[in-house]
Amino acid sequence: ETGVTQSPTHLIKTRGQQVTLRCSSQSGHNTVSWYQQALGQGPQFIFQYYREEENGRGNFPPRFSGLQFPNYSSELNVNALELDDSALYLCASSLAGSLSDTIYFGEGSWLTVV
Amino acid sequence: AQRVTQPEKLLSVFKGAPVELKCNYSYSGSPELFWYVQYSRQRLQLLLRHISRESIKGFTADLNKGETSFHLKKPFAQEEDSAMYYCALGSSGTYKYIFGTGTRLKVLA
Repeated sequence: ETGVTQSPTHLIKTRGQQVTLRCSSQSGHNTVSWYQQALGQGPQFIFQYYREEENGRGNFPPRFSGLQFPNYSSELNVNALELDDSALYLCASSLAGSLSDTIYFGEGSWLTVV
Repeated sequence: AQRVTQPEKLLSVFKGAPVELKCNYSYSGSPELFWYVQYSRQRLQLLLRHISRESIKGFTADLNKGETSFHLKKPFAQEEDSAMYYCALGSSGTYKYIFGTGTRLKVLA
């Protein structure tokens, strides 16, 4: 059984550019959540996908978008990057998205916007 | 507004001393509270959840609805407990977690 994997681990982008971050969920999990963790802060919920449909969204602008694929892997896309988007982006998967399910985090993708 | 507050950024204790990591929450419904831990160079992982009323690695946490608190406690700290600890509030209906800013626990030899 493989855990949650994310790619890339680190990347640097210029303000105004677009970025795509990828996540492979743990085997058997159909729910993926994305979190943004700025330096010195706790993770902040961006959105969740359950069986390829968005199932909840946090207070993030529409330039943050996502996809979930039939194999339950997921992408986070951020358009028109701003300096404040610099953060660790965490992906987490769970069996069915219920709070009673344990969620498993990946190691994250470090994004630096310059 | 739903909020989780962890008032201490850093807590240093000596090995063998008791530990209490504070967590207060603000939530109008029936809360589900969790503690997550991140050891050095490892990913964030679940430590315990209030609904299970379990003890993991000697840690316990009791939900106090009157004081809206969910403090994490351990009677005798070990060096391997040194890590970043996050308190999280589950928001039912949206399946999202609201995390606190975290407390770094340092257990000194």
